[in-house]
Amino acid sequence: GAVVSQHPSWVICKSGTSVKIECRSLDFQATTMFWYRQFPKQSLMLMATSNEGSKATYEQGVEKDKFLINHASLTLSTLTVTSAHPEDSSFYICSARGSGVRELFFGEGSRLTVL
Amino acid sequence: KQEVTQIPAALSVPEGENLVLNCSFTDSAIYNLQWFRQDPGKGLTSLLLIQSSQREQTSGRLNASLDKSSGRSTLYIAASQPGDSATYLCASGGFKTIFGAGTRLFVKA
Repeated sequence: GAVVSQHPSWVICKSGTSVKIECRSLDFQATTMFWYRQFPKQSLMLMATSNEGSKATYEQGVEKDKFLINHASLTLSTLTVTSAHPEDSSFYICSARGSGVRELFFGEGSRLTVL
Repeated sequence: KQEVTQIPAALSVPEGENLVLNCSFTDSAIYNLQWFRQDPGKGLTSLLLIQSSQREQTSGRLNASLDKSSGRSTLYIAASQPGDSATYLCASGGFKTIFGAGTRLFVKA
C-alpha cells in the first residue's frame, strides 16, 4: 500500500511553546489529508480535514487558532500546536488520500508530551 | 452524522479460541469499512479493507464481513494467539473516516 510518513514520532516540549508535526505522502499525491488526535485508551477523534491549497475544515470543538494546519503541497501537510499546554499531550495521527482514491493511508503517529 | 460503535469494549480469551469482534455504523452511505490493529503506544496497522460493493475480505486467520443494509461489520479471528493481543479499531470510510472506540483483546497463553 501507499506510504505516509509522520515526523517527529515523539516530541517533548515545554508549556507555552509551539510544536510542528509533519505528514508526508511518500509515493502518491495526497489531495486530502486528515488529522486525528487520540487520548490514552480512547479512539481516534477527527480534528480537521485539509485539501491541498485551501484552508482546513475543523471539526466542532477544535480550536483553529491553536491547531494550525497547512497543506501547501500535494505531499506535505503540517500540524502546528501553538502555545502548547499539558492538556494538549496526546497521540496525533495523520492520514492521506489521493485524488479519486477512497482508501485512506495512515502515518505512524506522533506522540506529544507537554511539560 | 456517522457514529461507529464497537462491541465488546474488551475481550479476554484463551489461546486457540475463535472470536468475533463487532462494529456497527449508523450511516450506510460509506465508501468502505476498514479494520485496524493498534498496539499500546503505537500507530495503526491496517488489517482489512472492505469496499462498499464487497461483502467480505480475508487475510490469513482474519476474515471481515460487511453488511451495509444493516450497518454492521464483523472481524473474525481464527485460532487466536497471544500475539493477537491488541486494540482493534473499525472505521467507516466516507468523505470523513470515523473510528469506533475499539475492542481491547487479550489472548491468554
